[in-house]
Amino acid sequence: QSALTQPASVSGSPGQSITISCTGTSSDVGGYNYVSWYQQHPGKAPKLMIYEVSNRPSGVSNRFSGSKSGNTASLTISGLQAEDEADYYCSSYTSSVSWVFGGGTKLTVL
Amino acid sequence: QVQLQESGPGLVKPSQTLSLTCTVSGGSISSGGYYWSWIRQHPGKGLEWIGYIYYSGSTYYNPSLKSRVTISVDTSKNQFSLKLSSVTAADTAVYYCARVSGGPPNADYWGQGTLVTVSS
Repeated sequence: QSALTQPASVSGSPGQSITISCTGTSSDVGGYNYVSWYQQHPGKAPKLMIYEVSNRPSGVSNRFSGSKSGNTASLTISGLQAEDEADYYCSSYTSSVSWVFGGGTKLTVL
Repeated sequence: QVQLQESGPGLVKPSQTLSLTCTVSGGSISSGGYYWSWIRQHPGKGLEWIGYIYYSGSTYYNPSLKSRVTISVDTSKNQFSLKLSSVTAADTAVYYCARVSGGPPNADYWGQGTLVTVSS
């Protein structure tokens, strides 16, 4: 069982917006602004999309945004495109383990 | 552009030790500011952090694996390594090495990953 809880799947049509949630506890997501999001296409390594809750690395589209409220972080993808279809993982610093990941969410673009 | 490349046996027998090396190019491990990490992904499953090391040799391990894991660094070769002892079929996974920021854990560069199968 993963330390952070994500929905197994989400879907949306091109052009729409979707949000993926990531729920933890006050010892990880809620306790630190150290949530990151990764995108992983099949057979590829994960790619950092969001760090420290809401910051985008250079080169990442501004269609990707992150936020946090209490023990739940969220990744929002606006203007959904076919290339966004992938698995998405959240991660957080945690006082007990140091670094934990969510179970992953499969995004399907309809 | 930093690049990481995993290398090592793709098949390990049960009860033996899994050994992988990550070679870093385009940047020096000794420059500091980053941790160098191993992360694995069981087939069809999510990501699991194994541990990371600083160039000085300081290590941090996932408590669930700590008793079996050793991560070391060779700054002269710009490499870091993973040893996982007493492996079982449950250790079959794709193993990634990654560069992690020195503050909050953000992995900004990843290797391509290498599949290690534990089987007799």
